[in-house]
Amino acid sequence: DGGITQSPKYLFRKEGQNVTLSCEQNLNHDAMYWYRQDPGQGLRLIYYSQIVNDFQKGDIAEGYSVSREKKESFPLTVTSAQKNPTAFYLCASSPTTENTEAFFGQGTRLTVV
Amino acid sequence: DAKTTQPPSMDCAEGRAANLPCNHSTISGNEYVYWYRQIHSQGPQYIIHGLKNNETNEMASLIITEDRKSSTLILPHATLRDTAVYYCIVRALNQAGTALIFGKGTTLSVSS
Repeated sequence: DGGITQSPKYLFRKEGQNVTLSCEQNLNHDAMYWYRQDPGQGLRLIYYSQIVNDFQKGDIAEGYSVSREKKESFPLTVTSAQKNPTAFYLCASSPTTENTEAFFGQGTRLTVV
Repeated sequence: DAKTTQPPSMDCAEGRAANLPCNHSTISGNEYVYWYRQIHSQGPQYIIHGLKNNETNEMASLIITEDRKSSTLILPHATLRDTAVYYCIVRALNQAGTALIFGKGTTLSVSS
């Protein structure tokens, strides 16, 4: 089936460790996005990528890094520099950034202890 | 992106129409109104979008006022599965190099 897959659904890490969240899509979309959601809040944009080997910072990029080596994949690394990493992370894709009918994954809930 | 204002929460009885308002008084002429919803602990789901004409699809109807400063998402016969957070977003269609910006949305609670 076509879609966007995030893994794992739940992730636990110790404070001070880097962790990488996976996001894969087989929709042949050029654009991909990472959002963070805290309890009772809306989604906040971390990074987005318009095309392979290109990405831009969103509103809250500090403490995060991304790569876009393949069209299908847009992994997000939460580094030890991120002060409050515990959150729900959502990945999305759209055909292009002009097209705002975005498709979202089911999210990864990261807990740092 | 133009700012939108939505009520934080609304209630609706099952089987009745749910009317979710959104104010976007600073919307530009080339900006569309988009609606997404997010069921608890899942990714947001696209519902509908429109520019100035009313739109309808299998999920909902979108009514945009003539001055385009506000809109209403209508779920004609709400069910318990429609309980979710609903986000109203305004954005230009051909706005390259940017991403959807979400606010806090409206939490719709449908009860039996």
